[in-house]
Amino acid sequence: GEDVEQSLFLSVREGDSSVINCTYTDSSSTYLYWYKQEPGAGLQLLTYIFSNMDMKQDQRLTVLLNKKDKHLSLRIADTQTGDSAIYFCAESSPSGAGSYQLTFGKGTKLSVIP
Amino acid sequence: DAGVIQSPRHEVTEMGQEVTLRCKPISGHNSLFWYRQTMMRGLELLIYFNNNVPIDDSGMPEDRFSAKMPNASFSTLKIQPSEPRDSAVYFCASSFGVLGELFFGEGSRLTVL
Repeated sequence: GEDVEQSLFLSVREGDSSVINCTYTDSSSTYLYWYKQEPGAGLQLLTYIFSNMDMKQDQRLTVLLNKKDKHLSLRIADTQTGDSAIYFCAESSPSGAGSYQLTFGKGTKLSVIP
Repeated sequence: DAGVIQSPRHEVTEMGQEVTLRCKPISGHNSLFWYRQTMMRGLELLIYFNNNVPIDDSGMPEDRFSAKMPNASFSTLKIQPSEPRDSAVYFCASSFGVLGELFFGEGSRLTVL
């Protein structure tokens, strides 16, 4: 079955760049996502990338996709204390009936040191 | 839009009691998902519905768990009888369209003593 792996913890200093990595196994993934979960809240979509793209940039966020190696990364430039959260990598694949099913990694807890 | 609404936000109950968690998806969304989050297992998909019909319930742990979606605006997840190992945060999420973006509720934190 599908599997999504990511490291559990990352600690960076405020102002530095953060890079969160993820590997996945399903080669039929259509979209890959990064979700952010702040304490006591649900997950919120941060950004996504279509599987035929290599890179996507959105303000401080850069997503890199290496489809050959099934590797996805999220880079946060100029990391702020407000970026402290758990970041989930997810892949989607068609599940029939016109819907898609997401498989999530276990999340990477990003701690930003002031 | 109010987003996905879950209730209760917190529930503490004793082992053996019935627990019912409720979810109101975003209006117009046609898919609804129930997830469970624990430190040990991360985020697990329990069941999902498409157009109110259960599509995949292979993630439901055992027969003590059941989920219903009687209409497009309401779903329940029931645990009967509850056990301490069911303690977790249960999330409901809804989506619409091929992008598959999920919109999550704030979760129901369940503690079974």
